[in-house]
Amino acid sequence: DIVMTQSPDSLAMSLGERATINCKSSQSILLSSNNKNYLAWYQQKPGQPPKLLIDWASTRDSGVPDRFSGSGSGTDFTLTISSLQAEDVAVYYCQQYFHNLHTFGQGTKLEI
Amino acid sequence: QVQLQQSGPGLLKPSQTLSLICAISGDSVSSDSATWNWIRQSPSRGLEWLGKTYYRSKWNLEFAPSVRSRITIKPDTSNNQFSLQLNSVTPEDTAVYYCARQPYNSGGWHGYDYWGQGTLVSVSS
Repeated sequence: DIVMTQSPDSLAMSLGERATINCKSSQSILLSSNNKNYLAWYQQKPGQPPKLLIDWASTRDSGVPDRFSGSGSGTDFTLTISSLQAEDVAVYYCQQYFHNLHTFGQGTKLEI
Repeated sequence: QVQLQQSGPGLLKPSQTLSLICAISGDSVSSDSATWNWIRQSPSRGLEWLGKTYYRSKWNLEFAPSVRSRITIKPDTSNNQFSLQLNSVTPEDTAVYYCARQPYNSGGWHGYDYWGQGTLVSVSS
């Protein structure tokens, strides 16, 4: 199994600040045939299912504000929220879908 | 707009069978550009992918090793839905269960773009 490890487990920030969440995979999730990293970021608010934010490590899903950005390749990835808004309070998860057994990180709780 | 609507009981006793349905609107369970997945979430196990079904000239199934001996996923083309059955449940199977779509296009596979609303399943004697 590919193990996804996020850091930190929790983050307390102020409105307008920049937040950075890291995700490390236990093996490369870069598909060489199309040069895409099979890594997604999700946002989950209480009582809701996860919502897809970022696909292919750096492609924002439709309708996702541009303050959310993803970067990284291979085994190390980052989700950045450039200017925190109150509505960004949530738990954030990374997920790899490179291997058939899709695995998620443990989550990072973001508080304002 | 794709929607996934989950249904099924939320309270089970140990050894019973968990049965959930995910009804699809706005897409087809027979689509050749998507897989249809079941995921669960609990405080102890986090988000855990359980299995998927998809159609590529024939029906395919894949399961997580942790539940492979107890799980069944069935597509239902007549009702455009797919189901999850998990046999011999224990309190460790207590979780919120989700269905989700994973799309595929010329660029490759994507993350899960549409999710069901979630069903809390509690296993207790």
